[in-house]
Amino acid sequence: KQEVTQIPAALSVPEGENLVLNCSFTDSAIYNLQWFRQDPGKGLTSLLLIQSSQREQTSGRLNASLDKSSGRSTLYIAASQPGDSATYLCAVFDDKVIFGPGTSLSVIP
Amino acid sequence: DTGVSQDPRHKITKRGQNVTFRCDPISEHNRLYWYRQTLGQGPEFLTYFQNEAQLEKSRLLSDRFSAERPKGSFSTLEIQRTEQGDSAMYLCASSYDGTNQPQHFGDGTRLSIL
Repeated sequence: KQEVTQIPAALSVPEGENLVLNCSFTDSAIYNLQWFRQDPGKGLTSLLLIQSSQREQTSGRLNASLDKSSGRSTLYIAASQPGDSATYLCAVFDDKVIFGPGTSLSVIP
Repeated sequence: DTGVSQDPRHKITKRGQNVTFRCDPISEHNRLYWYRQTLGQGPEFLTYFQNEAQLEKSRLLSDRFSAERPKGSFSTLEIQRTEQGDSAMYLCASSYDGTNQPQHFGDGTRLSIL
């Protein structure tokens, strides 16, 4: 049974820092992995999708990597800004969609 | 393209009542998904449609829950005889066909059972 975990559960950093969020999954037979952002009381905004054959994807200040063999993905955020404060969730797609519990990020001005 | 929209945004009801939520997906998207999210957790998959066909249902979807997508466009999720444990955010997402298509989410319907 696929399980997805995210570490840390919460993170607080000063503005301008680079940071890494981690996502781990137990079954490497996935189609893809997607990173989302969720603001309080809102739905999810898709940030990056990495297909199983890819190693990384980049969008602006965001870079996501995928290592299927080790069951890990990281989301790297460069030069963090207060507007990056949100919960970040990863989801793995195999026969089902399994979300991690999320990492709550606070970027302090 | 106005994105995925959900209605209502909030619903407060007494235990035992029936509730119905609506989701309007992005118009070109064939797939439509329903999720439930409780505080501090990631969304949990409930069910999904390919056009009007309901292709998969989670064990979380008890017989009190029913979802429809009659014309392959908007979808409704009905909960009958609501219980306190049904209190959650109900999220809808849509995507194109295919295993590598990103899902686009609506802002959800927050259900509170009194």
